Amino acid sequence: NAGVTQTPKFQVLKTGQSMTLQCAQDMNHEYMSWYRQDPGMGLRLIHYSVGAGITDQGEVPNGYNVSRSTTEDFPLRLLSAAPSQTSVYFCASSLGDNVPDTQYFGPGTRLTVL
Amino acid sequence: GNSVTQMEGPVTLSEEAFLTINCTYTATGYPSLFWYVQYPGEGLQLLLKATKADDKGSNKGFEATYRKETTSFHLEKGSVQVSDSAVYFCALSDQGNQGGKLIFGQGTELSVKP
Repeated sequence: NAGVTQTPKFQVLKTGQSMTLQCAQDMNHEYMSWYRQDPGMGLRLIHYSVGAGITDQGEVPNGYNVSRSTTEDFPLRLLSAAPSQTSVYFCASSLGDNVPDTQYFGPGTRLTVL
Repeated sequence: GNSVTQMEGPVTLSEEAFLTINCTYTATGYPSLFWYVQYPGEGLQLLLKATKADDKGSNKGFEATYRKETTSFHLEKGSVQVSDSAVYFCALSDQGNQGGKLIFGQGTELSVKP
C-alpha cells in the first residue's frame, strides 16, 4: 500500500492563479480531509468528506473547493490564489467506522503564493 | 467550541532526559484524544491515543493518560533519544469522530541533543 499520496510536493503560484492539489489513498478509507499547517497554529481543517459524493466545510474553507467523485481521490482546488494561502497542506484519510478513528496523513504539499 | 492548548516550544533536552509536553483541552461531551508526531520534512504520524477517562495510551516509550478531571493529556517519556527530535501535536476528536475531523494544538517542537 502506498497509503496517502499527495502531489505536488512543492508549488509556487502567483496571486490570482488557480491550481489543484491532488490527494489519493489506496486503503479504501471512507473519510478524507484537508488541513493546512501554519507556524504556531497547528493544523486547521479546510474541508472533509465522509464518502464519495459527500463533502462539507471545516474551520477555514474560504478560497478552497473540493469534490469527491471516487473513494480514492480528494482534490483541493484553489480558484484564485492569495498570499494568505501560503502554507503546508496535508491530506488525511481514515476508515470512518472506528472510535477513535485513526487518521493517516500524506507527506504534504508546500505552497507559496507570491 | 472545542480547543486544544499545548505548551509552547521549542523544548530542548539532553539525551536520556525526562520529557513532559503539556496538553489541555476544552470540549463538550467525551472526546477521543491523540498525540501525533511530525518528523522533519514528513507528514504526521499517530503516536498514541485514548478514548475515555483514565485510559493510558502508549507507544515507543511515550505515554499519556486521559485525565477528565483536569482536562489534560500530557505526553511523557522517561528517557528521550536524539531520534525523538520532532514536532508533537496534541489533538482531539468529537465523540464518534464524525467526518474525520481533528482539532489540533499548535504543536511543540522537541530538540534532543546528544
